Amino acid sequence: DVKVTQSSRYLVKRTGEKVFLECVQDMDHENMFWYRQDPGLGLRLIYFSYDVKMKEKGDIPEGYSVSREKKERFSLILESASTNQTSMYLCASSSHRGGAGYGYTFGSGTRLTVV
Amino acid sequence: GQNIDQPTEMTATEGAIVQINCTYQTSGFNGLFWYQQHAGEAPTFLSYNVLDGLEEKGRFSSFLSRSKGYSYLLLKELQMKDSASYLCAANQAGTALIFGKGTTLSVSS
Repeated sequence: DVKVTQSSRYLVKRTGEKVFLECVQDMDHENMFWYRQDPGLGLRLIYFSYDVKMKEKGDIPEGYSVSREKKERFSLILESASTNQTSMYLCASSSHRGGAGYGYTFGSGTRLTVV
Repeated sequence: GQNIDQPTEMTATEGAIVQINCTYQTSGFNGLFWYQQHAGEAPTFLSYNVLDGLEEKGRFSSFLSRSKGYSYLLLKELQMKDSASYLCAANQAGTALIFGKGTTLSVSS
């Protein structure tokens, strides 16, 4: 089975801190994605990557950046955390950009609280 | 633009049948997914439709009409463990999945 591992289940950070959320997948997938999930708003795409060192903005990239130096690892960076970035962050990977077939495999999520 | 609509909440009783509808408007549409998400957990894959028609998988079935921009997820013989959020997601060619806001289903005894 594909495994997508997010390094932290819960994080509490202070306003203004630089925050790194790490995601690793073990099935050699080209495509990786970062979403945030908020009550009443569903999953919203922040960034995605379809190859090493490649990145594409999603629907809500403001305040975030990403890094993909190795195929298996996709990091989400909050340059200066703010309280409105308190959310559940979900990483996913797929062998197809649009997820044809079996779709995306998601990590367990990181619940980030910014105080 | 792109838009995916599904009801916010639904309730049903054990043993019943429930249908969760999803309408979508996306460019470059290339298929539709349904995911299940229990509270506090990651979404898990349920079904994928790329052609018109019904796909059946045990107690769950999913239907797609591309001409109408419409899909539904049908859950039969409901069980308490089916209480979860159900996410509709559209596959746009060349880019990432776009998700609806999810439908929270509550199953009571």
